[in-house]
This record gives sequence, structure tokens and C-alpha cells, in this order.
Amino acid sequence: EVHLLESGGSLVQPGGSLRLSCAASGFTFNNYPLSWVRQAPGKGLEWLSYISGRGSSTYYADSVTGRFTISRDNSNNTLFLQMNSLRGDDTGVYYCARGDVVFHYWGQGALVTVSS
Amino acid sequence: EIELTQSPGTLSLSPGERATLSCRASQTISRNYVAWYQQKPGQAPRLLIYDASTRATGISDRFSGGGSGTDFTLTISRLEPEDFALYHCQQYGTSPWTFGQGTKVEIK
Repeated sequence: EVHLLESGGSLVQPGGSLRLSCAASGFTFNNYPLSWVRQAPGKGLEWLSYISGRGSSTYYADSVTGRFTISRDNSNNTLFLQMNSLRGDDTGVYYCARGDVVFHYWGQGALVTVSS
Repeated sequence: EIELTQSPGTLSLSPGERATLSCRASQTISRNYVAWYQQKPGQAPRLLIYDASTRATGISDRFSGGGSGTDFTLTISRLEPEDFALYHCQQYGTSPWTFGQGTKVEIK
């Protein structure tokens, strides 16, 4: 059974940094691209970033380009999202998902709150 | 980027009724690359449909997707109690992939 579990969400001040992790199990990790998708309070979903199975290709939404970095550790079946220069509109639940364009499996999400 | 507008915002129906949800795009979606997700409160989204009309693994045949170009629909043939939830459409024909704002299907 595919399982994705995010961690690392917390309250952070504007301008601060945070690193999210997503531990995966139940599938051959390096065979699949992975993505981060977030949901701001009361808003729709927003795709943020994607990384290929081997980690050689990454893509970002304009809203996070230059501030967020996606990476993966295939030896430990873990996906990461390094978030810098955080702003209030980065507040939301951050989901890791298996897939690059269609998201077949999702984690339960990690809450990130950016506030002073 | 392609904007997706879902309508109605809220759909109030009774169990056993048919639900038809709409997703309209601001421009033609390449290859009809549209997906639909279901989300219940406090839970992650679940993939229902991709490529506009292909059901994901394990999804009931009560769910069907259709449409082309800029207009797409998700139909739930007979609402079961577990179907009352929030539904999102997504396009992946043109980067960046975008989602609609969601349609809530609530019990009347």
C-alpha cells in the first residue's frame, strides 16, 4: 500500500525558513516523480513543484521560484521542500503527492503558518 | 496560465440523486488533460478521474468524466452518503498545472 507522510510543518515568522519532509513507502521510490501541492485556508489547490524520479529534473510554479527548493533522497525514500523567504500567503497545508502531472496518491499534509 | 472555473460553488442534493459538476477553462486544454479529485474535511484529495474520462484505480463506476476543449464535467450517477464532499478539477495540458476553486456537494 502506498503511503506518504509529511512532517516539518510549524509556525514561522515572515522572512523565515522551513524544511518539509515526506516519507514514502509501499512503492519503488526512485521509479516515480513526486510533487508538492498546497492548499491555502479556504482556497483551492495550488501545484508548487515537481521532481523527477532520479532527481535530475525539477520544476516550480512562478509563485515559489527562487524561494523554494525541491529535492529527494532516494536511498531513504524521502522527499523534501526547502522553503525560504516565507510570506503570509505561503500559509496553508502542504501535501506531497506521487506523480508529475496527475497525482495518484497524496499524503495527509503538513500545516505551515507564516505569521509574526 | 489556464484558469479553471468550477460551477456551481455548492450543489445541494439528496442521496440517490444525480450530480453534475462543471469545470470551464479559460483556454483549450491540450489533449483534454483534465483530472478530478474528491476531498473530505481534514483529508487529502483523492484522484477520481484523469485524462478527462479515465477512472482511477478502485473508483466506483458511479463516477464518470466527460467533456473536451474548454468544458468538462464530472457526473456522479447516484449519490451515496460517502460522496458528499468537495470536488476539484485540475488541468495538466499546459504548465503550470492549475486547479479550480472547487465544488462542494452537500446533503440537501
